[in-house]
Amino acid sequence: RKEVEQDPGPFNVPEGATVAFNCTYSNSASQSFFWYRQDCRKEPKLLMSVYSSGNEDGRFTAQLNRASQYISLLIRDSKLSDSATYLCVVFSMGRTSGTYKYIFGTGTRLKVLA
Amino acid sequence: DADVTQTPRNRITKTGKRIMLECSQTKGHDRMYWYRQDPGLGLQLIYYSFDVKDINKGEISDGYSVSRQAQAKFSLSLESAIPNQTALYFCATSDLGLDTQYFGPGTRLTVL
Repeated sequence: RKEVEQDPGPFNVPEGATVAFNCTYSNSASQSFFWYRQDCRKEPKLLMSVYSSGNEDGRFTAQLNRASQYISLLIRDSKLSDSATYLCVVFSMGRTSGTYKYIFGTGTRLKVLA
Repeated sequence: DADVTQTPRNRITKTGKRIMLECSQTKGHDRMYWYRQDPGLGLQLIYYSFDVKDINKGEISDGYSVSRQAQAKFSLSLESAIPNQTALYFCATSDLGLDTQYFGPGTRLTVL
């Protein structure tokens, strides 16, 4: 089982639609969670961190469910410019081993259609 | 100007050649990272450095080496390139105590 799993998509949605992505992770000791956006052949850019209480940034809402070990991203009122690949990222650092793990999912591709 | 820069942006080389990819940052961050991205595999951590004297192996360090010449510079070397090292390579930085990473524009490396 991969440490971080995402549905690769693509999700094809019309402009104005609401779309949601989920991401599951296997390490229950994971400490931090993020969503990054990556445009084709470009570098990933931080979209938002994900907090236990859930957080919102404009049209984007992120949720964390530690019990079920998944995070989600909801995009409301989709724009053409939202078309991209969305990467789920999970961070953990072993307190005794000092192991640093910043694990990227393979991404979910979103296409917003006119 | 970009906060994290990578050179070269594109490189085509032959099997067995030594290649160096360079990364510079003006963000003043202590932590720097090298990743590779392959289609369908996501980003994989090659090496990371928490300061000039601290270098650590990531998930896939075999075949690679790094040098942290200064706080702002972190280079990745392929001592003897092989075709399965063909990939998109990203450098990233983060600030101490924060886990958010900032990526450079990437280097597309092709090994023939």
